Amino acid sequence: QSALTQPRSVSGSPGQSVTISCTGTSNDVGNYQFVSWYQQHPGRAPKLLIYDVSKRPSGVPDRFSGSKSGNTASLTISGLQTEDEADYFCCSHPGTYNFVFGTATKVSVL
Amino acid sequence: EVQLVQSGAELKKPGESLKISCKGSGYKFHDYWIGWVRQMPGKGLEWMGLIYPGDSDTRSSPSFQDQVTISVDKSINTAYLQWSSLKASDTAIYYCARHPGRSGGFDHWGQGTLVSVSS
Repeated sequence: QSALTQPRSVSGSPGQSVTISCTGTSNDVGNYQFVSWYQQHPGRAPKLLIYDVSKRPSGVPDRFSGSKSGNTASLTISGLQTEDEADYFCCSHPGTYNFVFGTATKVSVL
Repeated sequence: EVQLVQSGAELKKPGESLKISCKGSGYKFHDYWIGWVRQMPGKGLEWMGLIYPGDSDTRSSPSFQDQVTISVDKSINTAYLQWSSLKASDTAIYYCARHPGRSGGFDHWGQGTLVSVSS
């Protein structure tokens, strides 16, 4: 199963909004409501930001939001902050099997 | 507090065997799946497999199912990832992570175990 496609990098100034896309197929992103997003700072373990396309775990700021249209899921970071500079990964799965991660997007805060 | 604590870094030679561990605490260990995720140096995340401690039901990625063994000992709240014969290409950080089941995400992660394989 091929990795989901994400842009290699996105950037923005503090306070701006950035959106990261995650493109799959009708066999993964397009057919299931199980898309999650993870943030990973260098040398650290990933952290769950969004699950089930648009739900936020407790403790995750509401400036992180998720959505999906067709075969593409998106993560939007509103009010970009310096601590948001990190790698971001999407993940899709139909159930307790066939998890597939995205190719990673590096977010830079200018 | 939910915690997943992984075993320490390993330096092994090609052909050697290895078993790394992931111990859960702060929650009902048998009620959540434990997944294993590989991250090769400078690369992205790859899902390797998932195990349900309650009944040891295991789901494996086709890319890894013949390469590693995933197991669990629920009596000590510990999941394992095992190799019988390591290759240099197994050099990576391996993370365990908790997953609630069909929906949800990997909501808690271990700190990662660095496995280095070199002659």
